[in-house]
Amino acid sequence: GAVVSQHPSWVICKSGTSVKIECRSLDFQATTMFWYRQFPKQSLMLMATSNEGSKATYEQGVEKDKFLINHASLTLSTLTVTSAHPEDSSFYICSAISGTVSYNEQFFGPGTRLTVL
Amino acid sequence: GQNIDQPTEMTATEGAIVQINCTYQTSGFNGLLWYQQHAGEAPTFLSYNVLDGLEEKGRFSSFLSRSKGYSYLLLKELQMKDSASYLCAVIDSNYQLIWGAGTKLIIKP
Repeated sequence: GAVVSQHPSWVICKSGTSVKIECRSLDFQATTMFWYRQFPKQSLMLMATSNEGSKATYEQGVEKDKFLINHASLTLSTLTVTSAHPEDSSFYICSAISGTVSYNEQFFGPGTRLTVL
Repeated sequence: GQNIDQPTEMTATEGAIVQINCTYQTSGFNGLLWYQQHAGEAPTFLSYNVLDGLEEKGRFSSFLSRSKGYSYLLLKELQMKDSASYLCAVIDSNYQLIWGAGTKLIIKP
């Protein structure tokens, strides 16, 4: 099956710093990538949908100036949490699809656990 | 609003059978998915139902009734490694994924 990687797998940072998370599709070209956030014991929450070469579409309530998404190539999307605060501590997961929209073939990365002190 | 309901937690015994229910109320329907998520890991795809009926895949089966807005995931011959959260997700009319909060399944020896 298709493989999606994320880096780093975990990160601890001080409040006010920025953190960049990379999401890569290793063996396929991802025309669309999704970024999710999951707080403990809660469901996945879609933050934004990212299409290669265009601006990301953010879900309601997600600050686009705080969560910067770049999808510069068909194999890489990045999420930058700017001026992170403790309330941004969460599990961030990306997923990717190729070709036409087909949600049953959404491949997830392993996730990045962010802890902001 | 859109809503997906699953039990928060279930407990079952190794070797037994367990059924995890999911009911949904969404704006349109284009399919329902089940994912398994172990603690601290990303979800992994289990099944996809778009038509009514039962889909069997090894020890796991998934059932859908669109008229009732209802699905269940059936796990047979439970193993300790099946301890995980099981997420139900519905694709709505805009092809957006609506996620349930997940059901934590605890398997006891």
